Parts: sequence; structure tokens; C-alpha cells
Amino acid sequence: AQRVTQPEKLLSVFKGAPVELKCNYSYSGSPELFWYVQYSRQRLQLLLRHISRESIKGFTADLNKGETSFHLKKPFAQEEDSAMYYCALSGEYGNKLVFGAGTILRVKS
Amino acid sequence: GAGVSQSPRYKVAKRGQDVALRCDPISGHVSLFWYQQALGQGPEFLTYFQNEAQLDKSGLPSDRFFAERPEGSVSTLKIQRTQQEDSAVYLCASSLMLRSNYGYTFGSGTRLTVV
Repeated sequence: AQRVTQPEKLLSVFKGAPVELKCNYSYSGSPELFWYVQYSRQRLQLLLRHISRESIKGFTADLNKGETSFHLKKPFAQEEDSAMYYCALSGEYGNKLVFGAGTILRVKS
Repeated sequence: GAGVSQSPRYKVAKRGQDVALRCDPISGHVSLFWYQQALGQGPEFLTYFQNEAQLDKSGLPSDRFFAERPEGSVSTLKIQRTQQEDSAVYLCASSLMLRSNYGYTFGSGTRLTVV
């Protein structure tokens, strides 16, 4: 079965501090991992995909198959990063995404 | 349209009432997905269409839930005899590609409250 775990409901950091949003997954095959973000009063949108190995808005995420993790990181948090972040997984043959419960990131000034 | 459009934005239904939720995907998007998001939870998969074909409906919680996309564009999610546990935000997403690995574009959702 596919499962995504985001252990923190809320992560509160000060502006300029490093951020790490944790995501662990359970999947027996080769997963595709994503981070989606939802800013206040906006729709859910794709932040980044592990297959593209990109950095978006200063965020990066590395797939660690040994630890079955896909943590989202940013070296210096900004107030505009405050949002709900969802980690999601897609199986290698599937189309549907399995989402974690989400982590609220609050960046304080 | 420029994005995925869902209507209505809010729906209040009395228990036992039937409801229909509409999704207008981005023009030309082949794949269309419905998700249910309960309060404090992440979205949970309901069903998936590739054009007009419903290829996966494994996430529909009961036979009271029915989805269709007859012409491969607009989709309707119908819930019959609504129950309080059906209260949630229903999200529609579409994708140009057949697979999810390029990411979806989500609509704003329909918030259903069953009273």
C-alpha cells in the first residue's frame, strides 16, 4: 500500500531561519514524489517534483530511498513561505496521487 | 479557460439530498481527477478519467458516489442521499499528460456541508 506521512502538523520558524518539512513514504516500487503548496485563500499548486531535481522559490527536496524520505528544505525562510505544504506520492504505474496530511509552515518576523 | 473551474464553490445540503458538483478542466487536458479533502486531512483520491473513460474509481467511498465525463471535458461528481460524513471539500484536478508525474492543476474546490 502507498502511504505518505508528514509527522508535523505545524512548523513555526523565524524569518531567515532554515526550514525542513519532513515527509516519509511507504511504497514497494519506484515512487514519484511531489510537494504541493496551498497559500492562504489560494488553490493547491505544485511546488516541485523529485524527477526534475529543481529548486523552486529556494526550496529543494531530495529523494532518499534508503530512508524512504523526501524532506523539503529551504536555507532561509521568508514570511511569504507561510502556507500549507503537502507531500504526495505516485506509484510508477499509477496516475493517482497519495497525499500526506499536510504541514502548516508559519514564518514569523 | 485559464484554470480548472469548479462550481458551486459552496454547497449546503440537507441529509438525504442529492448533490451534483461540476468541474471544468483546462481545455485539452486529457486526465481529470476528483479528490475528497476532509477537514485537517490531505486530499484523498476518488476517481480518475482519461478523456471520457473512467479508468479508476477505486476511491469512491460508496455506491452513493458517481462521477461522469461524457464528452471528455466537463465532469460531474454526484452524491446521492448525502450523509454528514460526506461533508468535505471536493477537489478537481486536470493534467495534460496521461500520468501524474508532471503534476496536476487543481481547482478551488467545492465545500460541501451536509446538515
